[in-house]
Amino acid sequence: EAGVAQSPRYKIIEKRQSVAFWCNPISGHATLYWYQQILGQGPKLLIQFQNNGVVDDSQLPKDRFSAERLKGVDSTLKIQPAKLEDSAVYLCASSLESGTGGSPLHFGNGTRLTVT
Amino acid sequence: GEDVEQSLFLSVREGDSSVINCTYTDSSSTYLYWYKQEPGAGLQLLTYIFSNMDMKQDQRLTVLLNKKDKHLSLRIADTQTGDSAIYFCAETTDSWGKFQFGAGTQVVVTP
Repeated sequence: EAGVAQSPRYKIIEKRQSVAFWCNPISGHATLYWYQQILGQGPKLLIQFQNNGVVDDSQLPKDRFSAERLKGVDSTLKIQPAKLEDSAVYLCASSLESGTGGSPLHFGNGTRLTVT
Repeated sequence: GEDVEQSLFLSVREGDSSVINCTYTDSSSTYLYWYKQEPGAGLQLLTYIFSNMDMKQDQRLTVLLNKKDKHLSLRIADTQTGDSAIYFCAETTDSWGKFQFGAGTQVVVTP
């Protein structure tokens, strides 16, 4: 099966600019996650979707970050305006379904964002 | 503080066994996972264990779970240079599939 697709792979922007990341999950996976991974740390959840509804966005900095999954398939994550501390790898993951616990996450290769 | 803790670094000689340790705080954890991350890549699922099991073996990988002490370990037998990576422990507790990750253990395999 095709894995989780993300684009772009790399992005360099100046602070206060905006940026968008795209994710296409594994076909049939109902749950989609966006994680932020700062160098030397584990992934930190930003937002979790179940189909096209938000399950958890408690850690999403909503003043600058937004995400959508309009048709319950692919998703975009946007940052506007970017800050230096947003420099990180943004990982998209999907799972077959939530609610069972035994549905592991499948990750894309991530987008490495550098804010200068 | 961290809900999932791991040691940061492990050096092992090629051919030896590696043991990576993880502790977690939530006694209601249902599934515990091990992921591997190579440079420039996302996290790759290695194996996972349900909380009512105490051991799971999959080829060179052995997972041990001590639920009483909330301690999880991953043993890699006959460690190879291709095993050099960062290994993440993760757990889920609630029914919505919320995952909590540790900070990762960097494993370096030397010839």
